[in-house]
Amino acid sequence: AQKITQTQPGMFVQEKEAVTLDCTYDTSDPSYGLFWYKQPSSGEMIFLIYQGSYDQQNATEGRYSLNFQKARKSANLVISASQLGDSAMYFCAMREAGAGSYQLTFGKGTKLSVIP
Amino acid sequence: DTGVSQDPRHKITKRGQNVTFRCDPISEHNRLYWYRQTLGQGPEFLTYFQNEAQLEKSRLLSDRFSAERPKGSFSTLEIQRTEQGDSAMYLCASSPKRRSHQETQYFGPGTRLLVL
Repeated sequence: AQKITQTQPGMFVQEKEAVTLDCTYDTSDPSYGLFWYKQPSSGEMIFLIYQGSYDQQNATEGRYSLNFQKARKSANLVISASQLGDSAMYFCAMREAGAGSYQLTFGKGTKLSVIP
Repeated sequence: DTGVSQDPRHKITKRGQNVTFRCDPISEHNRLYWYRQTLGQGPEFLTYFQNEAQLEKSRLLSDRFSAERPKGSFSTLEIQRTEQGDSAMYLCASSPKRRSHQETQYFGPGTRLLVL
């Protein structure tokens, strides 16, 4: 079973509009972290936002917020006021702390295109 | 503030040749990770170092792959007898030591390998 599922291969959004990128995860570990990264065409993975499994509030970082629904095992990224520079691949990732592993498990990503 | 750097950025080689990639982490980070990303996929974990100790290796890391971090600073990833299936982006990341799953991994620009 996939640990991280991103069901939207591609998304389009009008400039200045908000967009939600979906991510669901699968783990039996009660302690885990969820991360979102942005990958422009240049290839570098840019960290955007983090949510811990025990965090009571949804994470926010500037125009990025994470809609964390623990019971549904979803961690959707919301980008407000989209900009042309937001066009990129977006990856959701998870680290399961209980196994003592430090590796991140990534989804397949969503390609976001911002239309002027 | 210097980020993670990788060298070379691009490498074209012939099947059967050996290649070596270098990663310089963020200076105060003691954890270093290697990932491989093929076209249309998210990054996949290869291996992880804490200081000079290699603490975790993926099953993806075949006998032809070896990674080192001799002085706990920079790391090298060597692929021997390259195969066309090794063509991918090789990403390096580093993180500071934290006592939680909130350790954020910061990625370098990657090395794109093409095996002919």
